[in-house]
Parts: sequence; C-alpha cells; structure tokens
Amino acid sequence: DIQMTQSPSSVSASVGDRVTITCRASQGIRDDLGWYQQKPGKAPKRLIYDASSLQSGVPSRFSGSGSGTEFTLTISSLQPEDFATYYCLQHNSHPYTFGQGTKLEMK
Amino acid sequence: QVQLLQSGAEVKKPGASVKVSCRASGYTFTDYYIQWVRQAPGQGLEWMGRIDCNNGDTKYAQNFQGRVTLTRDTSVNTAYMDLTTLTSDDTAIYYCMRRGDDYWGQGTLITVSP
Repeated sequence: DIQMTQSPSSVSASVGDRVTITCRASQGIRDDLGWYQQKPGKAPKRLIYDASSLQSGVPSRFSGSGSGTEFTLTISSLQPEDFATYYCLQHNSHPYTFGQGTKLEMK
Repeated sequence: QVQLLQSGAEVKKPGASVKVSCRASGYTFTDYYIQWVRQAPGQGLEWMGRIDCNNGDTKYAQNFQGRVTLTRDTSVNTAYMDLTTLTSDDTAIYYCMRRGDDYWGQGTLITVSP
C-alpha cells in the first residue's frame, strides 16, 4: 500500500498568513492526488484535484503543486473560513490512502 | 443536480453487521464508481473501498478485507456497504462519494455499543 505522510499534523496561523501543508507519498504517484478541506460535522470538500487543478468554485488563494512523491497545498492569505482540517488523498493505486490530516488553527 | 442520499444512523451490538445504502440521483449511475470512506470520532479519513457501478467490480482496503462487501443495484441507482463482525472500533461516520469529483453523501453514523 502507498503511505501518505502529511505534515504538519497541526499548525497555528493568523488571518492573512501564508500556510503550506505537505504530503509525501511512499512511492511515486504521478499527479494522482487531491486535497480536501473538512469542517466539523461536515463532509470533506475537494479543493484541488490532479495535484494542482483548482476545483470549480474554490477560491484562488488555494493552490496545489508537486508530482511523484512530494506535494504541497498552499493557502496564500488565510481567511477566517479556512480554519479547518486538511487531508490529501492519493488515487494512483489501490487501496487509495489519505494523509493523516492537518488541523489549521487560529493563533 | 447530483445527489447521494445515504441511509440513516444505526446502533449495533458488537458482532453484528450493518448495511449502509447510498442512493444516487441526477446522473447516470453506471457511469461512475462509488467509494466509501469512514471517519471515527475525532480521527482522520479512512478509505474503505470502491465499486464500479457499471460492472460491480470492487477494490477494498486491506484493513477491511473479508469484513466489508460493496454491492450495487442498478435498478434503484443505489450502492451498498456491508460491514460484518462489528466492534467498537467501527463506530464512525460512513460516507459514500462519487469517484473523480466532489460529490459526497451526507454521512451515516454507525454506533457499535453493547
């Protein structure tokens, strides 16, 4: 199975900050990766697909990059509604696997 | 519009089985795969498996091999997740999602309690 190592597990930041979250795959997965945001009590919401493509309707302050084994999600200027938990998901090979999650908290 | 409507919350005894349904509407059911993801209280997301709604082909996460069965009924546009031999560790919200985009069911809370 492909292991997805996500870091950090939590981060404290302020409105307006730039935040970067990383996922590392245990083997190459091309660009078969998505990033998801989850707020308490809600289903996850996809932000980025194919590593760097912005999901329709998602603000442009979210961006994704990477290929192979190293991937990043960047929020360029944090907004109050961005405080949530973020997950990566690889869909290169079965079983698909999520990262452990990154909780983005207000400083 | 695309919708995935899941069955309601259930409480089960340890050792029992549960079957969660996911009824699809607003698209051609057999054109997509359905995936199942679960989330235990306070924990992260866990991919369980997927089913090809066209031919019924399935893939499962190793953690669930032998305990989970995914099926679908194309006559009612519904996918099912059957989980057997429940323990307290299976207490979680179970989500269905359409593979390849961002449509999710509302989640089904399964509580396993003596």
